[in-house]
Amino acid sequence: DVKVTQSSRYLVKRTGEKVFLECVQDMDHENMFWYRQDPGLGLRLIYFSYDVKMKEKGDIPEGYSVSREKKERFSLILESASTNQTSMYLCASFFWPVRTGGRNTEAFFGQGTRLTVV
Amino acid sequence: AQRVTQPEKLLSVFKGAPVELKCNYSYSGSPELFWYVQYSRQRLQLLLRHISRESIKGFTADLNKGETSFHLKKPFAQEEDSAMYYCALRGGAQKLVFGQGTRLTINP
Repeated sequence: DVKVTQSSRYLVKRTGEKVFLECVQDMDHENMFWYRQDPGLGLRLIYFSYDVKMKEKGDIPEGYSVSREKKERFSLILESASTNQTSMYLCASFFWPVRTGGRNTEAFFGQGTRLTVV
Repeated sequence: AQRVTQPEKLLSVFKGAPVELKCNYSYSGSPELFWYVQYSRQRLQLLLRHISRESIKGFTADLNKGETSFHLKKPFAQEEDSAMYYCALRGGAQKLVFGQGTRLTINP
C-alpha cells in the first residue's frame, strides 16, 4: 500500500517566517508534486520533480521553492510566508509504469497540510 | 500549455438521477486524462483513467478529442457519490494539472 506522508496536518505561522513542508513517499516513485488546494480554484501546481535534484516550476511558483535531495523526500519551502499563502497544501507522488506504456499510471496523495499564516 | 476546465463548481442531483460532470481540456499533444475524487475527510484518490476505458463505481468517462472533453457520467446517482471531483491531465514533461473541481451533492 503506497504511502505519501506529509509531516504536519495543521500549521500556524507568522508573516515573514520561513516555512518548510515535508513530504515522504515509500514507493520509489520518480515524480513528486506540490499543489495548493483552494475553494473554487481547485488544485494548482506549485512545483514538481521528476528525479533527485531535478525540479520544474508549476503554474504558481512565486513565493515558493522546493528541495529534492533524496528520491523519497520532496520539501516545499515558503521563503517568507505571507497571508495569501494560507491554504491547504497537497503533496503527491506519481507512478508511470514504462513497461505498460502508462496503462496503470496513478498519482498518490498525502493527507494535506492546512497552513495558516497570521 | 496544459489546462483543464471544469465549468461547474457545484452540482446537485437527486438519488437515482443521471449525473454528468463536465471537463474540458487544452493540450496540443496526446493527453492522458483522469478523474480523481475526494470524499469527506479522505485523501484525494484516483477514480478512473481514460487509457483503461474502465467503469468504476458505475462511473464512466469517454475522451472526445474533437471536443477536447472528458466528461464523467453515471446513469443512476447514489448518496455515497457525494464528493469533490477533479479532472486531471498529464501532458508533456510528466506535468500533472487539475481542474477547479466540482462538488457533487446527491439529494435523497
